[in-house]
Amino acid sequence: GAVVSQHPSWVICKSGTSVKIECRSLDFQATTMFWYRQFPKQSLMLMATSNEGSKATYEQGVEKDKFLINHASLTLSTLTVTSAHPEDSSFYICSAIQTGDRPQYFGPGTRLTVT
Amino acid sequence: GQQVMQIPQYQHVQEGEDFTTYCNSSTTLSNIQWYKQRPGGHPVFLIQLVKSGEVKKQKRLTFQFGEAKKNSSLHITATQTTDVGTYFCAGKGSSYKLIFGSGTRLLVRP
Repeated sequence: GAVVSQHPSWVICKSGTSVKIECRSLDFQATTMFWYRQFPKQSLMLMATSNEGSKATYEQGVEKDKFLINHASLTLSTLTVTSAHPEDSSFYICSAIQTGDRPQYFGPGTRLTVT
Repeated sequence: GQQVMQIPQYQHVQEGEDFTTYCNSSTTLSNIQWYKQRPGGHPVFLIQLVKSGEVKKQKRLTFQFGEAKKNSSLHITATQTTDVGTYFCAGKGSSYKLIFGSGTRLLVRP
């Protein structure tokens, strides 16, 4: 149980285009989903928290107009990187939890390369 | 804000040697979670500690939560090459967020 999928697993896009990443909880309903960013050999940096049916809460320094998050259902959250630039190239990972004190279960991540 | 420090940054051991990574939080935690990330992979949940002074074991892995609920450790006995990866602790305070430590990269020489 507690499987989280993420799609696509990797994507290459041109500068100026937008990319959508999907995060799905496959065998449980996720009250909350999180989006992280990870640079090589570094820790996970929380970008935003999304709850189903409400606006995402963004961490300080994360541009909400650039990283659009939609949590349409209890099993699906999407992250859209708008007008991507090479500095947005990174490993984006989502996670999901059932309730507040349960562990976070991570998706396999999406490696984004912007050329 | 809340910070979680983790040491060492990396450790290179001979297969069969023991390994320990330590986490310290600047604030009291409601729980602490440990994750393992293999090279090129994503974090995989290992365990969650909730109670003060709690000790949990998973085969060769021993996890401890300090009495003050501000520090934690992960000890691996007799490392194997399959233990290679980065181990992260993640602390949960009063909010819903997890604050990740910087991680400890474990390399094991066969």
